[in-house]
Amino acid sequence: DTGVSQDPRHKITKRGQNVTFRCDPISEHNRLYWYRQTLGQGPEFLTYFQNEAQLEKSRLLSDRFSAERPKGSFSTLEIQRTEQGDSAMYLCASSEPGDYTEAFFGQGTRLTVV
Amino acid sequence: AQSVTQPDIHITVSEGASLELRCNYSYGATPYLFWYVQSPGQGLQLLLKYFSGDTLVQGIKGFEAEFKRSQSSFNLRKPSVHWSDAAEYFCAVAHPINFGNEKLTFGTGTRLTIIP
Repeated sequence: DTGVSQDPRHKITKRGQNVTFRCDPISEHNRLYWYRQTLGQGPEFLTYFQNEAQLEKSRLLSDRFSAERPKGSFSTLEIQRTEQGDSAMYLCASSEPGDYTEAFFGQGTRLTVV
Repeated sequence: AQSVTQPDIHITVSEGASLELRCNYSYGATPYLFWYVQSPGQGLQLLLKYFSGDTLVQGIKGFEAEFKRSQSSFNLRKPSVHWSDAAEYFCAVAHPINFGNEKLTFGTGTRLTIIP
């Protein structure tokens, strides 16, 4: 297993366009997390899935953001009508069942909105 | 709401010198505590974690951290740094009752520079 994989690694988009990112977790991990990291800040929690169920969403996840994990495997994060403030690194993490098992992070998708 | 403070934005140390990175948390109960490292262009890697028990925790790459309840601190230490330790370090906490949800609250990070 190569770990948590995110695609694309970099995305440049014009303001107002829609973008979609993909995360492939480690295969036996049933939990999946999305975080956002802006320059000079630590990652901020966006949303959490257990299998295909989205169990928690941060207030940071405005109605322009939607995340899915349709079959409990890979996940997508879509941002509609992008704004310059959406420019950030979007990190995905996954963990296996159990109490506080380690969350493994992907390398992230860096989004630049111009 | 829980919060994590890393008071040092940037630290520079000489290779071979000792290191201590500070982390303080604000929370009603003792949270679960973590240190992560992020190299440029990379994701985060877990260095160590504290849930309960011995307050001195050993991690990977020769790092250790000490939980001090009275000071609400979880400082990261290394006796002798290597040039490869240059990176961004994040302290994080998780709510101890969120079983099955490792939602993490991160500090703003400390950037470590190593000079020869």
